[in-house]
Amino acid sequence: EDKVVQSPLSLVVHEGDTVTLNCSYEVTNFRSLLWYKQEKKAPTFLFMLTSSGIEKKSGRLSSILDKKELFSILNITATQTGDSAVYLCAVENGGSEKLVFGKGTKLTVNP
Amino acid sequence: NAGVTQTPKFRILKIGQSMTLQCTQDMNHNYMYWYRQDPGMGLKLIYYSVGAGITDKGEVPNGYNVSRSTTEDFPLRLELAAPSQTSVYFCASSYGQGLGNEQFFGPGTRLTVL
Repeated sequence: EDKVVQSPLSLVVHEGDTVTLNCSYEVTNFRSLLWYKQEKKAPTFLFMLTSSGIEKKSGRLSSILDKKELFSILNITATQTGDSAVYLCAVENGGSEKLVFGKGTKLTVNP
Repeated sequence: NAGVTQTPKFRILKIGQSMTLQCTQDMNHNYMYWYRQDPGMGLKLIYYSVGAGITDKGEVPNGYNVSRSTTEDFPLRLELAAPSQTSVYFCASSYGQGLGNEQFFGPGTRLTVL
């Protein structure tokens, strides 16, 4: 059975801190790993990773995938209160065309 | 483009009532999905569709039905609402195989069954 485990489940930091969110997975026929940010409503897409060792970067956010060790990390530097959200990791099973989601990491950034 | 739209935004049902959650996308995506999200949990796939006329069960399909008569629309039907179906429901769409599977989500429907 495909599985995605995120850690920690919740995290409280102060503005300016750097955080690392973890995502480990077990999936048959891996195609891609995706990170989403969910504030009050629908998840919004952050990154899609398909190749090991290649960092995706967008402003203060970056992510990298390790296909050998079956995990990914999402880094956020110089955190701001607007980064407060639930961050979801999902893995795509290329055979079934489905995404399997982790439970998410709830990040709270205090001023 | 409106993207993925869902109606209604909120709904309260009594046990045993039925309702349809509407989902429409205007991105000409082949693939559409229905998820539910319970508090503190990730998204669980209810049903999905890879094209008009084709639907398949996800992880938690019991108590739900879907249809896909057009590319744009993918309604989710609850026939006999139960308190266990209290949740937030998200519809999503994607291009699908070969084009990456970034899923675009609708704003969600918050359903309470009392």
